[in-house]
Amino acid sequence: NAGVTQTPKFQVLKTGQSMTLQCAQDMNHEYMSWYRQDPGMGLRLIHYSVGAGITDQGEVPNGYNVSRSTTEDFPLRLLSAAPSQTSVYFCASSSHLAGGRIGETQYFGPGTRLLVL
Amino acid sequence: GENVEQHPSTLSVQEGDSAVIKCTYSDSASNYFPWYKQELGKRPQLIIDIRSNVGEKKDQRIAVTLNKTAKHFSLHITETQPEDSAVYFCAARTPYKLSFGAGTTVTVRA
Repeated sequence: NAGVTQTPKFQVLKTGQSMTLQCAQDMNHEYMSWYRQDPGMGLRLIHYSVGAGITDQGEVPNGYNVSRSTTEDFPLRLLSAAPSQTSVYFCASSSHLAGGRIGETQYFGPGTRLLVL
Repeated sequence: GENVEQHPSTLSVQEGDSAVIKCTYSDSASNYFPWYKQELGKRPQLIIDIRSNVGEKKDQRIAVTLNKTAKHFSLHITETQPEDSAVYFCAARTPYKLSFGAGTTVTVRA
């Protein structure tokens, strides 16, 4: 199993450009999520999905869109990049417990480092 | 939503000494508290966790304690080694979301 994979590893964008960060997992996990990591602020939840076709907002969703057409993939779209979106982005997945709760172990991808000029 | 506060933000310890990191959470619905270790340039890795129905859990040199009444939980690392140098994050889980603390940079001095 490859686990959770992310592409690209590093990206430079100009303000106003759009792009999609890719995330895929091969563990048949229902729950997937996107975090951004900024110095001194830990990891902040952007969006999450509890299964194909179901997404919801996290703590800092503005400027980002997501969709979940398959169990395996959960892309994150930046609609119009801004310097404030310069960050390291992590995708994570976990199994889905009964009653709608997310599984206990979150598996993180290797991260995408994004620089917006 | 859940708010997790973590202290201290940096911690420097002599090799062999103990390190303690403390976190507080706000949402009484949180029922699972993992700790992650992140080395420079790497992804966060789960090192230990505790459920809300347990007060303490230990795994070799690492232990975690939970006080549900006070909404506090702590990570204890004993006999620290150079490879323990990293950023440590606490987190609290509500049914659909995992909220993280801001992180503690631990440096173990040889």
